[in-house]
Amino acid sequence: EAQVTQNPRYLITVTGKKLTVTCSQNMNHEYMSWYRQDPGLGLRQIYYSMNVEVTDKGDVPEGYKVSRKEKRNFPLILESPSPNQTSLYFCASSLARPKGELFFGEGSRLTVL
Amino acid sequence: AQKVTQAQTEISVVEKEDVTLDCVYETRDTTYYLFWYKQPPSGELVFLIRRNSFDEQNEISGRYSWNFQKSTSSFNFTITASQVVDSAVYFCALSLKPYAGGTSYGKLTFGQGTILTVHP
Repeated sequence: EAQVTQNPRYLITVTGKKLTVTCSQNMNHEYMSWYRQDPGLGLRQIYYSMNVEVTDKGDVPEGYKVSRKEKRNFPLILESPSPNQTSLYFCASSLARPKGELFFGEGSRLTVL
Repeated sequence: AQKVTQAQTEISVVEKEDVTLDCVYETRDTTYYLFWYKQPPSGELVFLIRRNSFDEQNEISGRYSWNFQKSTSSFNFTITASQVVDSAVYFCALSLKPYAGGTSYGKLTFGQGTILTVHP
């Protein structure tokens, strides 16, 4: 089954404790991206990757890092999480940007205390 | 910079009513793509439609229809005879077409979303 898988789905952590949210897709998509969803702000793009070893900042990259060492994986790293990073995070992939439809993961709800 | 505005934060209708969700976008590029996504209460995001900037033909898919007007920079979404299952958050999004040397075509900008509630 074609899918985008994120882990963990739910996480409560404390300020400053490094964490990684993994994202993996099995559709051989070149494009992958991370978004955060906050009430009243919609979905905002954090980082995206056009292909392996090619990443770029979205609209809200501060406090996040990404890497794309393999085509299928695109982890989101929070080196030192802060409470303002409490949010619902979505990973997505697409065969062809910008016209390709995005396939989204189920979301990861992160709470930083 | 590109921007998408969904001015309607929440809409509430009664089943069988028609409802239109507005989407206004801003971009200086002449070539771009517009999308609508649905997020039902279960939380997943589902692709509904894509439209490129050169195709202003309106589209109908069952009870759903989309009206794209470049002159007003709008890409509105209408649900005819709404049903309770249409209750969801709906997002409009904009993506630019790649050009030589550019990297911004990886960006996809979403609107704030419209919460649609359809009452029985």
